Amino acid sequence: EVQLVESGGGLVQPGGSLRLSCAASGFTFSYYDMSWVRQAPGKGLEWVSDISASGGNTDYADSVKGRFTISRDNSKNTLSLQMNSLRAEDTAVYYCAKGVACSRPSCSHLFDYWGQGTLVTVSS
Amino acid sequence: DIVMTQSPDSLAVSLGERATINCKSSQSVLHSSNNKNYLAWYQHKPGQPPKLLIFWASVRESGVPDRFSGSGSGTEFSLTISRLQTEDVAVYYCQQYYSTPGTFGQGTKVEIK
Repeated sequence: EVQLVESGGGLVQPGGSLRLSCAASGFTFSYYDMSWVRQAPGKGLEWVSDISASGGNTDYADSVKGRFTISRDNSKNTLSLQMNSLRAEDTAVYYCAKGVACSRPSCSHLFDYWGQGTLVTVSS
Repeated sequence: DIVMTQSPDSLAVSLGERATINCKSSQSVLHSSNNKNYLAWYQHKPGQPPKLLIFWASVRESGVPDRFSGSGSGTEFSLTISRLQTEDVAVYYCQQYYSTPGTFGQGTKVEIK
């Protein structure tokens, strides 16, 4: 059974930092691109960042570029998101999501499994 | 980025009746190389993660009841719940994965009338 379990959320002041983690199990983690997707209170879903299966390629939404860093440890089946210079507008539930593997063209932003999410609140 | 627009924002349907949600993309999500529409539908209930219902615009994910169906091509798509059940109360999102970033519609809240 595929499981994605996020941790690391909490309350942080504006300008602060937080590191989210996602522990994966039930599938060969190193085969799949992974993403972070967030949902701000009362808002819809917003893709935040992704990382290729090998970890060699990453991408970010413009809203977090330069402040967030995604990484993965395939030996530990763990996905991480380092969030710096946090702003009130980063307040959201953050989900890690597993991308589907397709032959070209890619479908890595088709998400077949999601974690339960971890809440990040940026407030003074 | 491709903009996804859903309609309506919310709808209330009687139990056992049909619910239809529409989704339009700002550009075609039909890939000419494989003739597939890169369009998915997710169901999102409070306190739960989003659940993939439909991909390739019309393929049901394993375990999804057959009362859920997806249709459309190019830039216009629909999700239909043929006989609404209590457990179908949720927010539904369309999403394109034709190009990154995969963008979502604003969501449609489905309630019982």
